[in-house]
Amino acid sequence: EVQLVESGGGLVQPGGSLRLSCAASGFTFSSYWMHWVRQAPGKGLVWVSRINSDGSNTIYADSVKGRFTISRDNAKNTLYLQMNSLRADDAAVYYCARDRQYVFDIWGQGTMVTVSS
Amino acid sequence: EIVLTQSPGTLSLSPGERATLSCRASQSVSGSYLAWYQQKPGQAPRLLIYGASSRATGIPDRFSGSGSGTDFTLTISRLEPEDFAVYYCQQYGSSLYTFGQGTKLEIK
Repeated sequence: EVQLVESGGGLVQPGGSLRLSCAASGFTFSSYWMHWVRQAPGKGLVWVSRINSDGSNTIYADSVKGRFTISRDNAKNTLYLQMNSLRADDAAVYYCARDRQYVFDIWGQGTMVTVSS
Repeated sequence: EIVLTQSPGTLSLSPGERATLSCRASQSVSGSYLAWYQQKPGQAPRLLIYGASSRATGIPDRFSGSGSGTDFTLTISRLEPEDFAVYYCQQYGSSLYTFGQGTKLEIK
């Protein structure tokens, strides 16, 4: 079964850091671009970042550029999102998603990030 | 950045009726890079349509997508109870991915 499972969410203070993980299974992880997408409570979907299949190219939404870093370990079939300098407006459910021709064909169940003092 | 505007914000219909959801782009979008997703409460989004009109694996044929340029449509031919959810369109262009704000399809 093709599956993505996120972890690492939790409560963090403003200005703090958190690293999210996304474990992939059931497909050849190293062949696919991967993304992070977030959704604030009661709000819509917002794309955050994308990494290519070998990790050599990354892009970010302007709102997280310079604060978040996407990476991957193809040997471990795992995607990461390092989030630094967290702000209240970063609070959201963070989903990892697989890229298929520039759309998101497989999604994880999400991990919640809360930013509060 | 291409902005996607979905309408209506909320659509109230009954099971068995036809639903028509609109997604309008602020500039032309390649149809190859236009998708639709369904999201139910507490769940992750699910890909319904990609390439503007191709159904994803396992999606019933009552779901169809159409459109080109700046105007795209998701049609659900006969609503089933499980179709009541929030629907998002999404596009890719100029190394950016954007979503519409969503249309909530609710039971009338």
